[in-house]
Amino acid sequence: QLQLQESGPGLVKPSETLSLTCSVSGGSISSSSYYCGWIRQPPGKGLEWIGSINYSGTTYYNSSLKSRVTMSVDTSKSQFSLMLSSVTAADTAVYYCARIRTGTTGNYFDYWGQGTLVTVSS
Amino acid sequence: DIQMTQSPSTLSASVGDRVSITCRASQTTSNKLAWYQQKPGKAPKLLIYKASNLESGVPSRFSGSGSETEFTLTISSLQPDDFATYYCQHLGTFGQGTKVEIK
Repeated sequence: QLQLQESGPGLVKPSETLSLTCSVSGGSISSSSYYCGWIRQPPGKGLEWIGSINYSGTTYYNSSLKSRVTMSVDTSKSQFSLMLSSVTAADTAVYYCARIRTGTTGNYFDYWGQGTLVTVSS
Repeated sequence: DIQMTQSPSTLSASVGDRVSITCRASQTTSNKLAWYQQKPGKAPKLLIYKASNLESGVPSRFSGSGSETEFTLTISSLQPDDFATYYCQHLGTFGQGTKVEIK
């Protein structure tokens, strides 16, 4: 069973950079049919897609966050990383990584990590 | 950017009820639409993909319909485990969510 696990600091200071890692186990998402996506959810609010990356390093970012987001992949460790710079309190959220199943039928988030709460506060 | 609008925002229902949630897209989606269920403190779970295809392991009381810009998620007989928030999704855009609560 494919599993994804987010890890990283739970507290980040304003203006600093948020860094998270998604570790994939129990399967591979190295196929061209899959991407890793990052999604966040502010407390009590809805889901916001941050961006996606595949094993080749091809990235797609939400236009509203594009100037602050960097995603990368470490294939040797089966890990994907997210960096979000110049954070403010508005970036406080639960951050999820998820596998994206892609193809002619569309792009769907079919496996999710449990999520990690990141709070931006001094 | 495409906008996804769900209605209602909140739905009160009883066990056994048939419930429907609507998702409208601001432009055509080519039916590349999914529905997710999220319970408090948990990650979303994929229920339906390509508008009407049931994800493996999802109970058959869930169904999806619609095309192009208007879609519906229907639960044929609401079960206690179904009280949750539901989201539609097209590519990188999610609807704002519909909370199904106990009447």
